[in-house]
Parts: sequence; C-alpha cells; structure tokens
Amino acid sequence: AQSVTQLGSHVSVSEGALVLLRCNYSSSVPPYLFWYVQYPNQGLQLLLKYTTGATLVKGINGFEAEFKKSETSFHLTKPSAHMSDAAEYFCAVTLYTGGFKTIFGAGTRLFVKA
Amino acid sequence: DAMVIQNPRYQVTQFGKPVTLSCSQTLNHNVMYWYQQKSSQAPKLLFHYYDKDFNNEADTPDNFQSRRPNTSFCFLDIRSPGLGDAAMYLCATSRGDTNEQFFGPGTRLTVL
Repeated sequence: AQSVTQLGSHVSVSEGALVLLRCNYSSSVPPYLFWYVQYPNQGLQLLLKYTTGATLVKGINGFEAEFKKSETSFHLTKPSAHMSDAAEYFCAVTLYTGGFKTIFGAGTRLFVKA
Repeated sequence: DAMVIQNPRYQVTQFGKPVTLSCSQTLNHNVMYWYQQKSSQAPKLLFHYYDKDFNNEADTPDNFQSRRPNTSFCFLDIRSPGLGDAAMYLCATSRGDTNEQFFGPGTRLTVL
C-alpha cells in the first residue's frame, strides 16, 4: 500500500537553529514529491517539489529537501529557523496507481522559540 | 494575480440544512480538487475534476456532491450537513494530475 509518514507531529526549534522535518514514503513506482506549508486559517502553499533530475531541491523561504531513493525519504531542512517559519508542514506524494493520486502525510507542526 | 478564490471564508449552517461552497480560479487549470481538513489532520480528498470528468473518492459520503459548470468554477454541495461535517474545506487546482496543487484559502464550515 502507498503511504506517507511524517515523523513527529510536533517539532520545536530555537530561532537560528537547524530545521529538520522528516518524511518517508512507501511506493512501488517512482513518486513525485512535494512539501507544502500551511499557516493558520489558510490554504496550503507549495514550498518545493521533486519530479525528476537533481535530487536536492531548493524551495522558497530558504527551505530545501533531498530525495533519497534508497531511503525512500524526502526530508525538509532549513539551516536557520525564523519565527515566521512557525506553521504546519505537509509532505505529499503523487503516485500513478491506475490513475494519479496525491497522498498527504499527517503533518508536522513547527514551533520556533525566541 | 492568478489565484484560487473560495467564498465564503466562513460559513455557518444548521444541522441538515443544505449548504454550497464555491471555488473559482484564474489559473486556467484543468484539474480542480475539493479537500476536507479537520483540525490537526491532513487534507482528505473528497473528489476532483479532470476537465469535465468527475472522480469521486471511494470513501466520500453520498452527502457530498460537486458541480463544475465551467473551467473556472467548482462547487461543493453538502445536502444534509451533520455535526461531523464541520471542517475546513479546501479547493485546489493543478495543471495535470502530477503537478503541484494551488490551494485556495479555504472555507471553514460550522454546523450548529
């Protein structure tokens, strides 16, 4: 079965510290991978995506993610957290299983401490 | 700016009273999605349109219906809202199934 797992429903970091949000997927076919951010009472906004090509993907707001096929992972990182990064982050995978389907992870809420 | 617009942003309805949520887009995308998102959960796909083709998720209750009269507009109809239908409803669009999805700001539905 296809699935997306985000390790840690809550992550707390200090301002200026490294942000690492983990995402692992289960898929028997090559996936398209996405990270979205959601601020309170708003829709989701794309941070970055991997489709083909370079496995290290850079996104908006200083975020980046690396697709590691051998580890079936697509972890999101940012070298230095800012207070404005506090939000909910969703990893998503689009797979072809007789038709294209996007599966969202359960989300990770990022807290940034001053 | 090209965007996805949802109206209203907040909707209050009574138990069992039909309600319609609307979504419009200026992106000219051929795929439109409706998601239900409950508190602290991932968005759950209800259905999507690929052009005029309607695709219903297997576990979407019959209480939920959708219409897409043209490329730009898509509606979510809840025929008899129950208390469990209170949630944020997100509309999204994409240019093809595999591409990034562009989300509207959502409509928060309260059922009294």
